[in-house]
Amino acid sequence: QVQLVQSGAEVKKPGSSVKVSCKASGGTFSSYAISWVRQAPGQGLEWMGGIIPIFGTANYAQKFQGRVTITTDESTSTAYMELSSLRSEDTAVYYCARSSSSLGGFDWFDPWGQGTLVTVSS
Amino acid sequence: DIVMTQSPDSLAVSLGERATINCKSSQSVLYSSNNKNYLAWYQQKPGQPPKLLIYWASTRESGVPDRFSGSGSGTDFTLTISSLQAEDVAVYYCQQYYSTLLITFGPGTKVDIK
Repeated sequence: QVQLVQSGAEVKKPGSSVKVSCKASGGTFSSYAISWVRQAPGQGLEWMGGIIPIFGTANYAQKFQGRVTITTDESTSTAYMELSSLRSEDTAVYYCARSSSSLGGFDWFDPWGQGTLVTVSS
Repeated sequence: DIVMTQSPDSLAVSLGERATINCKSSQSVLYSSNNKNYLAWYQQKPGQPPKLLIYWASTRESGVPDRFSGSGSGTDFTLTISSLQAEDVAVYYCQQYYSTLLITFGPGTKVDIK
């Protein structure tokens, strides 16, 4: 049973960057897409982008192009999401989630990490 | 971009009664080559990540109670909870994965007990 465990909560200043990690255990890492989805307080779910570790090339939602970088470290089965030029509107819970199909790209998400709260405040 | 809408925004249903949530996509998510609808449903309770309920529009995830069912095709989909239980109070989201350049979710439907 695959589990995704994310890094802890962060408080950041506007204009700075944050890097959130997502460590997978209990299953194959490299051939399944990992996505990042965020949820602002009281709001819905927003896909930011994702990556298939074995291919190494990330896809990003246009909204976040230029500000987000998704990477993986296959040696530790860990995915990372770095968001730069933070503003108050980036305050949200950030989730990593795995797609279901090996080498199948992005489909439905299961499992999800527990979420990481990123607070952007001066 | 494929825009997902859901209705209603919220609903309150008596215990044991049926709850019906609608999801509409701005373009078809039915892939003609395999006749599959690229749509999933999730349940999210406060303070928890979303939980997968349904994929391919109507395939129930292992372990999900059979009171949850998904139906629809093309652009119009429905999640039905046949007999609402107290533990079903949550927000429900639909998600399309037809366009993998931009995965999109519906805005969510909050389900409460009447």
